[in-house]
Amino acid sequence: AQSVTQLDSQVPVFEEAPVELRCNYSSSVSVYLFWYVQYPNQGLQLLLKYLSGSTLVKGINGFEAEFNKSQTSFHLRKPSVHISDTAEYFCAVSDNSGYSTLTFGKGTMLLVSP
Amino acid sequence: DAMVIQNPRYQVTQFGKPVTLSCSQTLNHNVMYWYQQKSSQAPKLLFHYYDKDFNNEADTPDNFQSRRPNTSFCFLDIRSPGLGDAAMYLCATSRVSGYEQFFGPGTRLTVL
Repeated sequence: AQSVTQLDSQVPVFEEAPVELRCNYSSSVSVYLFWYVQYPNQGLQLLLKYLSGSTLVKGINGFEAEFNKSQTSFHLRKPSVHISDTAEYFCAVSDNSGYSTLTFGKGTMLLVSP
Repeated sequence: DAMVIQNPRYQVTQFGKPVTLSCSQTLNHNVMYWYQQKSSQAPKLLFHYYDKDFNNEADTPDNFQSRRPNTSFCFLDIRSPGLGDAAMYLCATSRVSGYEQFFGPGTRLTVL
């Protein structure tokens, strides 16, 4: 079984500042990793995913994440945030067996202020 | 555009009155999921279908049932909604289990 820890429940940041949202996972097998964003009263939208290959993954809206196997981390970064990035961000993990489901972290609320 | 559609977006029901939420997809994905999400919490998986194979999470209450009559449609039935069932219900699909999931916009259920 896998587990995901998102260390920060809320991250306040000023517009145009850089941000990092932290995600650590636990698994005894190889994993797939995902970041999703959720705006109020909407479903989840995939930001980016790591399946294999390059450990630096680029996603939509200028976000990127780096898979670090030794530290079991998959932190999400953006060099300059906008007001419109205010949303809830979920990290998720699954194993690559083809039979597992996603395990979500508890989410991090990114609050961008002017 | 290929997508996951949920109807209705907002549903109000009375305590104990059965309600059905629907989900359809044009992605032709094999797997369909139902999640319950309460305020400021992560989505909680209720069950999923891999093709016609139904998989129920161990802690999903018996009050929740699901049907998948064909590849495109999946329904969530709540037989006797309680106040604690008020939540956002999210439908998602994926090509194979454990792969990236595509979410619908959700149905916000209010129980009076």
